[in-house]
Amino acid sequence: AQSVAQPEDQVNVAEGNPLTVKCTYSVSGNPYLFWYVQYPNRGLQFLLKYITGDNLVKGSYGFEAEFNKSQTSFHLKKPSALVSDSALYFCAVRGRRRDNYGQNFVFGPGTRLSVLP
Amino acid sequence: SAVISQKPSRDICQRGTSLTIQCQVDSQVTMMFWYRQQPGQSLTLIATANQGSEATYESGFVIDKFPISRPNLTFSTLTVSNLSPEDSSIYLCSVEETGVGEQYFGPGTRLTVT
Repeated sequence: AQSVAQPEDQVNVAEGNPLTVKCTYSVSGNPYLFWYVQYPNRGLQFLLKYITGDNLVKGSYGFEAEFNKSQTSFHLKKPSALVSDSALYFCAVRGRRRDNYGQNFVFGPGTRLSVLP
Repeated sequence: SAVISQKPSRDICQRGTSLTIQCQVDSQVTMMFWYRQQPGQSLTLIATANQGSEATYESGFVIDKFPISRPNLTFSTLTVSNLSPEDSSIYLCSVEETGVGEQYFGPGTRLTVT
């Protein structure tokens, strides 16, 4: 069965500095990987995805993510952090259900990003 | 991307009662999902609701407790039955527009059981 790990509960970064939010995954077959952001008291917003192709994926709000198959990682990055980027970030993988009936999403535990002014 | 609305946005319910949550999408979608999320924590998939078939429940979730309806391609309901304080959570619906695409989420329903 697929799984997602986000090794850091909390990431703190100064405004203007680059940020990285880490994600590693385990899935059988080709990985379909996603990043979502959740602002306080709001639903999840889709940021970007990797399905196939270029290992560097660009998404919304200046975010990008790098797929690394050998390290089974899909880290989220941004060259210059904004205070408004402060939120909860979730990595997700799409994979086959345990009962092999279709596919579903599995979300990581989330990483809280705080960008300090 | 699809625009998703949920009703109610929040509710406070008494133990032993039920709450039905509605999810409306502005376009026709095949796949809809229901999740549960404790504030500040990860999402747990409750079930997949595809139009024209019975909902598929994940391990630990049963139809008697979480009955789901999917009458058409733009609407679904999730009922949380026989409420207990442990059911206090945020319930989210989502849709997937393509076979291997991303999911889009509604704003969530915050349920508090007293």
